[in-house]
Amino acid sequence: QVQLQQWGAGLLKPSETLSLTCAVHGESLSGQQWSWIRQTPAKGLEWIGEINPSGSTYYNPSLSGRVTISVDTSKNQLSLNLNSVTAADSAMYYCVKVSSTTWSPEYFHTWGQGTLVSVSS
Amino acid sequence: IQLTQSPSSLSASVGDRVTITCRASQSVSDSLNWYQQKPGQAPKVVIYAASTVQRGVPSRISGSGSGTDFTLTINPLQPEDFATYFCQQSYSIPSTFGQGTRLE
Repeated sequence: QVQLQQWGAGLLKPSETLSLTCAVHGESLSGQQWSWIRQTPAKGLEWIGEINPSGSTYYNPSLSGRVTISVDTSKNQLSLNLNSVTAADSAMYYCVKVSSTTWSPEYFHTWGQGTLVSVSS
Repeated sequence: IQLTQSPSSLSASVGDRVTITCRASQSVSDSLNWYQQKPGQAPKVVIYAASTVQRGVPSRISGSGSGTDFTLTINPLQPEDFATYFCQQSYSIPSTFGQGTRLE
């Protein structure tokens, strides 16, 4: 059974870059679809973006081109970079395995433990 | 696509039958999923494709609906079911979530 272990800096200053990494244990990252999702008490759950098995990425337009999702197949890791952060980017961030098949709509199958990120001067 | 859940919170007792509703601002076909989240934990999928119960989830949890109107039903309610429930659509990008229903 796949397990996701994530880490990254938890305290950032405005204008810095948020960088998170998610290690995939129990299966190969290749051939799967992966997402990042964040959550705040005020705004709830927000989909950040995804990377599909072919390496194509799709991002939430609300993040205005600040986000990059990538994979390192040699390390079996997924990464998230969000630049020019503000206080509004303070949230719990989750890496997520997406269940994507031809016979069923997609859903978020397995979630990492979450990384709490705070942005403050 | 906006998802509106109702109610925002719900008080219930063990043994009750509870229903949570999720309405989409436009049709999402059957691309509607439900998640359960307990304090301090990540969300966990309980229903996908509107009505398919995720493996390992008890059969007292069920989902129905298509198009714009969906329901999550728990019957009978058990102590471990007290949590917050979210709906989510995967019909179009960006994927979106409902605001959540706190079951207490």
